[in-house]
Amino acid sequence: GNSVTQMEGPVTLSEEAFLTINCTYTATGYPSLFWYVQYPGEGLQLLLKATKADDKGSNKGFEATYRKETTSFHLEKGSVQVSDSAVYFCALSDPGGSYIPTFGRGTSLIVHP
Amino acid sequence: DGGITQSPKYLFRKEGQNVTLSCEQNLNHDAMYWYRQDPGQGLRLIYYSQIVNDFQKGDIAEGYSVSREKKESFPLTVTSAQKNPTAFYLCASSRPGQGNYGYTFGSGTRLTVV
Repeated sequence: GNSVTQMEGPVTLSEEAFLTINCTYTATGYPSLFWYVQYPGEGLQLLLKATKADDKGSNKGFEATYRKETTSFHLEKGSVQVSDSAVYFCALSDPGGSYIPTFGRGTSLIVHP
Repeated sequence: DGGITQSPKYLFRKEGQNVTLSCEQNLNHDAMYWYRQDPGQGLRLIYYSQIVNDFQKGDIAEGYSVSREKKESFPLTVTSAQKNPTAFYLCASSRPGQGNYGYTFGSGTRLTVV
């Protein structure tokens, strides 16, 4: 079956530091890959996506590249802000799985001023 | 603006009581989903529906029930058979067969047993 593995948190950084949150996946088909962000007490919001190998998704300074050879989709940002503090979820959607999304466990990011 | 509305935001349930969580969307999406979120466990799929009048069990359906009588609505009932219902519940929607566009989530309902 499909699965998504994320690095465990919390990840604690100072403002303007470089961020990497690792995500690897297992899928039976050719999935689309996503990063979602969840702020405290709220639902998830789509942050970025990539639908095929070597695609790069980007939004609000965040980037992730779909690496089929390493089955990875790591999230990066060059300079984090306090307002980026949230929980980040990696997810996949596989047409072989009727597009039912599979989520990782989430990684909490805490950014200090 | 289109979106998903979940209500109530907070809900308290007494032991042995059934409660129903509302999820309404005006995105014209055919597929809708219910997830349960517990600290440190990510999201677990309870039920999903890809078309009106049809729904399927997810990974943790025991103690829950749903209905899909209208495209816009997918209510979740937490029954007394669910022994540990305290959690954050999230509803989501998408167009079936277009999962590569991502999913839209509601803002969640926090259920607490008192």
